[in-house]
Amino acid sequence: VVMTQSPLSLPVTLGQPASISCRSSQSLVNSDGNTYLNWFQQRPGQSPRRLIYKVSNRDSGVPDRFSGSGSGTAFTLEISRVEAEDVGVYYCMQRTHWPRTFGQGTKVEIK
Amino acid sequence: EVQLVESGGGLVDPGGSLRLSCAASGFTLSNAWMIWVRQTPGRGLELVGRIKRKTEGGTTDYTAPVQGRFTISRDDSKNTLYLQMNSLKTEDTAVYYCVTHLMDVWGKGTTVTVSS
Repeated sequence: VVMTQSPLSLPVTLGQPASISCRSSQSLVNSDGNTYLNWFQQRPGQSPRRLIYKVSNRDSGVPDRFSGSGSGTAFTLEISRVEAEDVGVYYCMQRTHWPRTFGQGTKVEIK
Repeated sequence: EVQLVESGGGLVDPGGSLRLSCAASGFTLSNAWMIWVRQTPGRGLELVGRIKRKTEGGTTDYTAPVQGRFTISRDDSKNTLYLQMNSLKTEDTAVYYCVTHLMDVWGKGTTVTVSS
């Protein structure tokens, strides 16, 4: 399954919203009814960190300015008000189909 | 605290072998499916393979680029996961991460460089 993110680069003003799109080449709805779409954040020099699982569930400790939405083949990660600590690369990933696959990444930077 | 610590990376000649280790702490490895993920500047994040828990057969699955060359194993008595890499190619150069199956815990990664 090919995961396609856009944009690949996202300059944002502090305090402004940001939105990242992720599309899959096949539906990510699993036979168990769940949609296994995750979002990860990778800050410079760090390992990826899971932010969102199953489309819209925030991980513990993730600020509520991050939200995930979507269904089927189209998904979105939104940051309501970008802060300096949000700089990094964001990846979507599906694990509905084997092998799990990642998007190319979207680099979020401050204007 | 749940933690994964990889080790064993380094510089190796094309055609050579390397074994990576991943020490788990803060949870019981034997209860967990585990995966290896690698990252390169050119190809981004890429799944290497997975291993199921022993109670489910401990079976492994690999992605096409590493099938037949890489082997994932586990020693639950040592709370340690392994990645044996044989017949290494320059395109295997990457940072290798040990990750829990649900991908909620990642190690810091270990760097493998395949070059003559």
